[in-house]
This record gives sequence, structure tokens and C-alpha cells, in this order.
Amino acid sequence: DAGVIQSPRHEVTEMGQEVTLRCKPISGHDYLFWYRQTMMRGLELLIYFNNNVPIDDSGMPEDRFSAKMPNASFSTLKIQPSEPRDSAVYFCASSLNSGGHQPQHFGDGTRLSIL
Amino acid sequence: AQKITQTQPGMFVQEKEAVTLDCTYDTSDQSYGLFWYKQPSSGEMIFLIYQGSYDEQNATEGRYSLNFQKARKSANLVISASQLGDSAMYFCAMREGRGNDMRFGAGTRLTVKP
Repeated sequence: DAGVIQSPRHEVTEMGQEVTLRCKPISGHDYLFWYRQTMMRGLELLIYFNNNVPIDDSGMPEDRFSAKMPNASFSTLKIQPSEPRDSAVYFCASSLNSGGHQPQHFGDGTRLSIL
Repeated sequence: AQKITQTQPGMFVQEKEAVTLDCTYDTSDQSYGLFWYKQPSSGEMIFLIYQGSYDEQNATEGRYSLNFQKARKSANLVISASQLGDSAMYFCAMREGRGNDMRFGAGTRLTVKP
């Protein structure tokens, strides 16, 4: 079975550019999560969706960040304009309906470097 | 307040020995799930093992087992017969019954020595 698929794996871009990260969750999973991982702050939840609807975006750092889920098999995380402090690994994860008992399955992540 | 605490930033273990990675958690929910993930140097997050708050038996998955002590709110990961490929970061996480997000600890870096 295919896991969570993220693209690109690596992105290097200059400050001020728009960055779009993509995610395809596991088929049948109705929850999708976006995380950011840095050395300083560890793994932080940015936003999550249930049945394509954003449920909690309190982790989104600022208005430069936006996320969409137009359908059950695709989500994007956009940063516009990007800044050097956005450099991090961004993970997408998906899970079945939880009740606290379902693991989240992670993609391989996107390593983002903003110069 | 920190919900998941991993007090060991780094651990070393000799190949073929067992090692315990500590995790304590804080919740007022009765229903919750505890998870361990492995992150090798290649960066991916790999789900290892799950323990439900109502599970009476400690979870096991191959060489991984969970030492779950509910009263102490601890869920330590035990890796038996360590292998060089076990060298990685290990994260403990909790998903509370009413919520759908997952809280992660800071992680423990395990190094297996040949």
C-alpha cells in the first residue's frame, strides 16, 4: 500500500519567493496533519483537516502560511513570502478517525531551505 | 505545560543488548493513546508501537515492547537485542481521546555501538 506521499523532498529557494509543499494522504484516511520540525522547537503541529475541512490552525505561525485541502487525496501548504526562519523539515501525516487510538502515518517530509 | 517528557537526550547501548527509553506524560483524559516513532538519519518518521490507555497488557511488536505504568503515567519503550540499524531518534507521542492532534516529546537519540 502506498504511504503518505510528499513533494518535493527538498526545496531551496530565495527569501521572498512563494513555496508550495504538496501531500497525498493514505487512501481512506480522513485526517490530515501538517507538522514542522526544527532543532530548536522539535515537532510542531501547524494545522489539521478532517474530511477536507480545516479543524485547528492555531499552530500556523503567521499569515504568510496557508493550507488547503481541495479533496480527499491532496493538500498543500503554502508560504508566501518565505523567510529564512521558515527553513525546516515539513511533514504531512494522515490517520483514520481517531478516538485517540489511531497512529498518524508520516510522509518522508520536505526539507525546506530559504536563503 | 509539557504533555510528553523524554528526559534522556541521548542514550548508548551495546549491540545485542536491551535498552529502555523513558517517556512520561500528562493528561486528565481517561481515554488516550501513546505512540512511539523512530526517526533515522534519513529523516522519515516511522510508527513503531501503540498503547491504549485501557489496554491491560503491555504492547509488543517484534523487538519493541512498551512498559506501560498507568499510575505513574509512564510509557517506556524497550528495544531488545539492539541492532546497529536501531540508531536513530525516538519520539514518544500522545493522542488524547477528545482531540485529534498528537503531542510529541523532544526525543531521545539512541546510538547502538558495535
